[in-house]
Amino acid sequence: GIQVEQSPPDLILQEGANSTLRCNFSDSVNNLQWFHQNPWGQLINLFYIPSGTKQNGRLSATTVATERYSLLYISSSQTTDSGVYFCAVETNGNQFYFGTGTSLTVIP
Amino acid sequence: DAGITQSPRHKVTETGTPVTLRCHQTENHRYMYWYRQDPGHGLRLIHYSYGVKDTDKGEVSDGYSVSRSKTEDFLLTLESATSSQTSVYFCAISERAETQYFGPGTRLLVL
Repeated sequence: GIQVEQSPPDLILQEGANSTLRCNFSDSVNNLQWFHQNPWGQLINLFYIPSGTKQNGRLSATTVATERYSLLYISSSQTTDSGVYFCAVETNGNQFYFGTGTSLTVIP
Repeated sequence: DAGITQSPRHKVTETGTPVTLRCHQTENHRYMYWYRQDPGHGLRLIHYSYGVKDTDKGEVSDGYSVSRSKTEDFLLTLESATSSQTSVYFCAISERAETQYFGPGTRLLVL
């Protein structure tokens, strides 16, 4: 199956700082999503972004499909942003492959 | 929030016993998925369904079976549970295999 690599694996930020999370994938994809898993384990869909750029409040994402990577930007981070961020890709046949995630801790 | 529930939310069982986990949706979405989450592996797809009685295997399907007799219910069965199946199991739904919405998860411990 397709390989999905996320970096960095861990990130500690002071509240108010900005950050960039990266997702690299090894093959062409039909679908790419970013998720946030909060400290209670709930998975929330942030973006469906197979290509292009989207923004939602302090979060934005860019996928460059031709170069096989996606970036998630978090601006003015808050403690509620803490958790694990996953990207997931789908190539064909409705099978999704997740990266191992970036664990973010935002310190007050 | 998408209407997805999972039951049970927690279960402890013994090696060799059968276990069935249930995912129930109220959104009438076509696609349903079962994932397991383990440290160091992220989420891995076990099985998915693209319609009533239409299912297919995912990346880690060995030891698991599924059934979908109604649009709203997707069952995951461990025929004979093993300790390696101790995990957190998530169900997800989507309408067009695009945006996925996840249930709250089921923590399974196999002793």
